[in-house]
Amino acid sequence: NAGVTQTPKFRVLKTGQSMTLLCAQDMNHEYMYWYRQDPGMGLRLIHYSVGEGTTAKGEVPDGYNVSRLKKQNFLLGLESAAPSQTSVYFCASSFAGTKQETQYFGPGTRLLVL
Amino acid sequence: QQQVKQSPQSLIVQKGGISIINCAYENTAFDYFPWYQQFPGKGPALLIAIRPDVSEKKEGRFTISFNKSAKQFSLHIMDSQPGDSATYFCAARFGYKLSFGAGTTVTVRA
Repeated sequence: NAGVTQTPKFRVLKTGQSMTLLCAQDMNHEYMYWYRQDPGMGLRLIHYSVGEGTTAKGEVPDGYNVSRLKKQNFLLGLESAAPSQTSVYFCASSFAGTKQETQYFGPGTRLLVL
Repeated sequence: QQQVKQSPQSLIVQKGGISIINCAYENTAFDYFPWYQQFPGKGPALLIAIRPDVSEKKEGRFTISFNKSAKQFSLHIMDSQPGDSATYFCAARFGYKLSFGAGTTVTVRA
């Protein structure tokens, strides 16, 4: 099993450009999450999904959109990138219900917005 | 503001020593408290976790102490090893979501 994979690993954008980060999991998890990690801030939840076709806002959703068209994939979009979105982005997934306690994280995508 | 406050920001310990990381929370609705370990360039991975009806949980050299009345919990790393050098995050769960502390970078000197 590959677990949780993220594409790309690293990207440089100019202000105003758009991009999509892809997360894929092969563990048949119901729940998926997108976090951003910034120095001194820990991990902050951007958006999450509790099932195919459903998404919800997390702690810092502004400037991001998400889609979960397939159970195994969770896409994070930046429509108009800003320097404040320079960060490391992590995707995570977990089972539903009482098994949802463990979130499995991907290796991260490092994004630099100039 | 962060719902889970973590301290210290960083610590250095000698090999064989004890590392202690503390976390505090306000929301009494949190029902699950995991600790995640993260190595440079990697994603966080679950290390150990506790529920609020338990005061202590031990797994190998790692122990969580939980004080429900004080709304505090801590991670103790006994006999610290160079391979324990990493960033540690405490977290707390409400519903579907985890709230993370800011992280503690632990450096174990050989």
